[in-house]
This record gives sequence, structure tokens and C-alpha cells, in this order.
Amino acid sequence: GAVVSQHPSWVICKSGTSVKIECRSLDFQATTMFWYRQFPKQSLMLMATSNEGSKATYEQGVEKDKFLINHASLTLSTLTVTSAHPEDSSFYICSASWQRTYDQYFGPGTRLTVT
Amino acid sequence: KQEVTQIPAALSVPEGENLVLNCSFTDSAIYNLQWFRQDPGKGLTSLLLIQSSQREQTSGRLNASLDKSSGRSTLYIAASQPGDSATYLCAVRSGANNLFFGTGTRLTVIP
Repeated sequence: GAVVSQHPSWVICKSGTSVKIECRSLDFQATTMFWYRQFPKQSLMLMATSNEGSKATYEQGVEKDKFLINHASLTLSTLTVTSAHPEDSSFYICSASWQRTYDQYFGPGTRLTVT
Repeated sequence: KQEVTQIPAALSVPEGENLVLNCSFTDSAIYNLQWFRQDPGKGLTSLLLIQSSQREQTSGRLNASLDKSSGRSTLYIAASQPGDSATYLCAVRSGANNLFFGTGTRLTVIP
């Protein structure tokens, strides 16, 4: 149980375009979803936390107008990288939990390459 | 802000050796500490979770210890195998129940 999927697993886009990444909890209802970013040889850094039906909470230094997060249902959260630039190229990982304080279950990640 | 450090950054050992990975954190007010495994280009697999009130957890060949007062944890891997090659991340849950990750130890087990 507690399976989290992400789609796509790998995406290449041109600079200036937008790309959407989906995170789904397959066998449980996730009231809270987290989005992390991982640059090469670095650790995961929390970008934002989203609760179903409410606005996401962004970590300091993360542009909320650039990284749009929608958590419209208990099984789906999306991260849209708007006007992507090469420096946005990274590995994006989501996680989901039943409640904010519960254990997080991680998705397999999405590798974004902006050319 | 919680800072998590892992030493060494990379480790290469011959198959069959026992090894220890280290994790330290700056704020001892944690809820729990978790060890993850990450294969190249993949997501995270949870290995062991230690609650703040616990001293250690074991799963198969893995044993994790926690010394909360000194801000340290170790992951002990017995009889290492080539399949153990991966990056190992430790993460602590603290503050507003966020997870703070270390930079990882990249382990290579040589057949």
C-alpha cells in the first residue's frame, strides 16, 4: 500500500515554455502533498506543501508565481513550472501523506530538462 | 533552521564488508529520523524510521541508531552486497513537521 506515482518520469522542454508534473496517490487519500527539488549531487529541498482544497505554502526562496501548485483532489497534485529556464532543470519529487504530521510516501520523481 | 550532514559523501567497499554511514543534525528537537535509499534517477525507498524516543531500529542487514542529544545517527550495513550500491539519505522530521534531508552518502559495493 501507500503508492505514489508521478507523470511524466522524464520531460524535455524548450526555454520559455511551461510544463506540468502530476503526482498521484494510488491507494490512499492524501490530504497533504509535498514537492521537493533535487539538483545533481545535492539533497532534496522542500519547495512547497499543499493541502487539498487550499493554497500551497511555499518555502522561502521559491517563487510561487513560477511554480504553480494545484491540489484539487485527495489523490492528485500538480506542479506547473511556468516560463521554464535551463536553471530549472532538476529532479522533482513529490510525496504524499494522510495528514500533515503523518509519514510521507515518495513518488519516483520527474527529471526536467530545459533546453 | 535544521541542518543535516552526512559523512562520508562517497564510500567504496569490497563485497562482504560491514560498513557504517553517519548522519548528524544541528537541532536535537526532532520527531523522528528516517533513512532512505535512492537509486540513480529514481525516487526514495524508506529503509528505517526511528522515533525520537527510540535508540535503534533493525531490518535485516540494516541497523540504525539514534543519539538525539548529540544529534547523531548511524546506519550500519552488514555483509554488504553489490545490490546495496545506491545513495543513502537520512532525513529528520522537526520544526513544523517538515523533513530535512542530508546530502547523502553514495555507496559502491565492489563485487
